[in-house]
Amino acid sequence: EPEVTQTPSHQVTQMGQEVILRCVPISNHLYFYWYRQILGQKVEFLVSFYNNEISEKSEIFDDQFSVERPDGSNFTLKIRSTKLEDSAMYFCASSGSYNEQFFGPGTRLTVL
Amino acid sequence: TQLLEQSPQFLSIQEGENLTVYCNSSSVFSSLQWYRQEPGEGPVLLVTVVTGGEVKKLKRLTFQFGDARKDSSLHITAAQPGDTGLYLCAGERSNDYKLSFGAGTTVTVRA
Repeated sequence: EPEVTQTPSHQVTQMGQEVILRCVPISNHLYFYWYRQILGQKVEFLVSFYNNEISEKSEIFDDQFSVERPDGSNFTLKIRSTKLEDSAMYFCASSGSYNEQFFGPGTRLTVL
Repeated sequence: TQLLEQSPQFLSIQEGENLTVYCNSSSVFSSLQWYRQEPGEGPVLLVTVVTGGEVKKLKRLTFQFGDARKDSSLHITAAQPGDTGLYLCAGERSNDYKLSFGAGTTVTVRA
């Protein structure tokens, strides 16, 4: 069964460093999303992406964040200068329609 | 203010008992999804409901979408230890390109 994959599974970085989280959405999906989940808290929306542009973004998704679909398969989230409070699980999701979003296994980001 | 309120937050029952988890909002959703999440993993989609009053069954799990599309419930019949996990509801409103998640209900089924 097709699934969303994410790499790396765990990323440790120093505060102020740039990180890129990678996702391979389900191949025939057209809508892509990033969410995050701080330990013990609920899943929070970051950004949605369709037709090579951002459809919607949350207040969390400030100028330090960017997304890109560099080729036909990958979807990336870049954090330019990480802060301690960016430590969280980051989930990529994709959907073929608005109704059903399928999530990847997540990348655990630890900022020291 | 939470867009989606889930209750209860925690639920512990004996194997064989039934349970119901609720997901409520003051907003109308074009669709609502239920996920199950294991520790350290991503949410796994269980079901999507889109029509007011809709009922979907997945083996021993029954999902209902309220008539007004503001609330939903998940009912598990004859719960088994394998049903233990975190259950999340998530809704999408019209013209939103995102899911809003509830805080989740942690279900523990004791053998």
